[in-house]
Amino acid sequence: GENVEQHPSTLSVQEGDSAVIKCTYSDSASNYFPWYKQELGKRPQLIIDIRSNVGEKKDQRIAVTLNKTAKHFSLHITETQPEDSAVYFCAASEAGGSYIPTFGRGTSLIVHP
Amino acid sequence: SAVISQKPSRDICQRGTSLTIQCQVDSQVTMMFWYRQQPGQSLTLIATANQGSEATYESGFVIDKFPISRPNLTFSTLTVSNMSPEDSSIYLCSVVRGGGYEQYFGPGTRLTVT
Repeated sequence: GENVEQHPSTLSVQEGDSAVIKCTYSDSASNYFPWYKQELGKRPQLIIDIRSNVGEKKDQRIAVTLNKTAKHFSLHITETQPEDSAVYFCAASEAGGSYIPTFGRGTSLIVHP
Repeated sequence: SAVISQKPSRDICQRGTSLTIQCQVDSQVTMMFWYRQQPGQSLTLIATANQGSEATYESGFVIDKFPISRPNLTFSTLTVSNMSPEDSSIYLCSVVRGGGYEQYFGPGTRLTVT
């Protein structure tokens, strides 16, 4: 089955800095890679996703890159703000197939004002 | 997106009892899932709730412990049976709409077993 590794487990940055979270996956059949943000006590919220036919996607301060050959994808947050503090999860799934997503273990991002 | 509600939002239960959690979606969805999330941990898939047929359980989860119903395309229930303190966790309903990509989560049910 799919295995998703996520690093780092904790990331501490100063407000205004950039943050990068990286994930690797093992199953070449995976073609859909979403990222979720989970604030304390709340549900995971989909913030950005990328499909395997695209190498990069951007939405304001967040971007995701995908390297299918190396089987890794990354979340980039620029100009971080304290409200970006949360746990971020990556996932990989085979959309259109079995779908069942495999989640990474999560990264706790702390943005210091 | 999808509007998903869960009931109850939280509960404290005694060992040996059962709790049924309800998940309601505002429109028909293709797939519904049930997850468990321990504090500070990632999301663990319990099962896929199949409409009109038995749920598909992941390794380590069995129907006798976590019976699931899905009578239609907008509603599902998860029962946690014969509870023990180890079942204390947050249980989340999740859905995928037609098109099969974006996944959305319910607000969760925080269960404490004493």
